[in-house]
Amino acid sequence: ETGVTQSPTHLIKTRGQQVTLRCSSQSGHNTVSWYQQALGQGPQFIFQYYREEENGRGNFPPRFSGLQFPNYSSELNVNALELDDSALYLCASTLRNGATYEQYFGPGTRLTVT
Amino acid sequence: GENVEQHPSTLSVQEGDSAVIKCTYSDSASNYFPWYKQELGKRPQLIIDIRSNVGEKKDQRIAVTLNKTAKHFSLHITETQPEDSAVYFCAAETRPNTGNQFYFGTGTSLTVIP
Repeated sequence: ETGVTQSPTHLIKTRGQQVTLRCSSQSGHNTVSWYQQALGQGPQFIFQYYREEENGRGNFPPRFSGLQFPNYSSELNVNALELDDSALYLCASTLRNGATYEQYFGPGTRLTVT
Repeated sequence: GENVEQHPSTLSVQEGDSAVIKCTYSDSASNYFPWYKQELGKRPQLIIDIRSNVGEKKDQRIAVTLNKTAKHFSLHITETQPEDSAVYFCAAETRPNTGNQFYFGTGTSLTVIP
């Protein structure tokens, strides 16, 4: 298992609400990426944070936002939840030092929007 | 943006046979190509990766080949075993001016029949 943890494991929200998901990166990793994985699909890249700044974003609307903290933990915030936001949300941490290194995924947070 | 296509979507092989999964990508600037294995209910795990300056990489029963001219890369698993049964995802990393982005294929469900 990797050293990446996520909380909560499962979450049920109502359409229109807001949600915050949390990720604790592997020790020493300075980069975190967030993904949305719908059932039976591949992970979809939401965004990446490097040293507390957004460093790349996929095709997701602004109501998906994030933060990375000095200890390299991070948050994914989703406002105005829609039914289609129901998915597994994965974070992945990387030690970036001049080139891409492998991503280590967390176990994910299963979000259900009703 | 980048578009990663993966096929086949399902693959069944007899134990001991080889399995090949193929991916194509569209962005010639993509430079890093990892492969992930995801077992049911678990996180994706990196099994092998290749960078754009390398044509082939092997790790025991697993190998990846990359053809930059044709923009395709493949995963080869030899001497398959029942524990190889899982969903496999290819991915490509690209770095446009806006930062790093990762794109995943739609996955191949591999079943190894004992």
